[in-house]
Amino acid sequence: QITLKESGPTLVKPTETLTLTCTFSGFSLTTSGIGVAWIRQPPGKALEWLALIYWDDEQRYSPSLKSRLTITKDTSKNQVVLTLTNMHPVDTGTYYCAHMSPAYCTPTNCSFYFFAYWGQGTLVTVSS
Amino acid sequence: QSVLTQPPSASGTPGQRVTISCSGSSSNIGSNTVNWYQQLPGAAPRLLMYNNNYRPSGVPDRFSGSKSGTSASLAISGLQSEDEADYYCASWDDSLNGHVVFGGGTKLTVL
Repeated sequence: QITLKESGPTLVKPTETLTLTCTFSGFSLTTSGIGVAWIRQPPGKALEWLALIYWDDEQRYSPSLKSRLTITKDTSKNQVVLTLTNMHPVDTGTYYCAHMSPAYCTPTNCSFYFFAYWGQGTLVTVSS
Repeated sequence: QSVLTQPPSASGTPGQRVTISCSGSSSNIGSNTVNWYQQLPGAAPRLLMYNNNYRPSGVPDRFSGSKSGTSASLAISGLQSEDEADYYCASWDDSLNGHVVFGGGTKLTVL
């Protein structure tokens, strides 16, 4: 059974750095083809993808937030950590982590990923 | 402004068939697959459809997906009250070193 759970501060001040941890079970990020992503959702608004990290440590970031985001993994702890610097009130929202599975793999490459499992989300409010 | 375009709302009565569209471009839907997510009120999103038209186990066959060119659609037949939720399409975009893009979401109301 695959589960993911987000943890971190519920309140951060403007200009501070947000650090969120995704702790997962039921899979390993050392397994070829697997990834973990972060997605956020401002209150009452749409989902917004932030970043992802693959089993081979390759990372991808949202072009609009790339300068502020860092994603890392700790395979020994089954955790993925997201940091978002210089927080603004517009960064307020629920932050989700999700397990990524590929729809198609060749012997050398996987593609067409989807978010198969999601955490419950953690609400982060940015306010002074 | 989301990269993928969805109608903000859709509605239907129980038993009806409704479709939700998702429009993109050649760099996303046109060259990659589309996934759909359902978000019930107050809950986390869950995978509803992947690789354009594949249902994960546990998703009723009332849900179906399709893709043509740079657009995709989600169809729900035999609409039920528990289908009232927000629906999001998503795809990979090959531009700017590659990234995931979501639609703006469609709120489905069962009348």
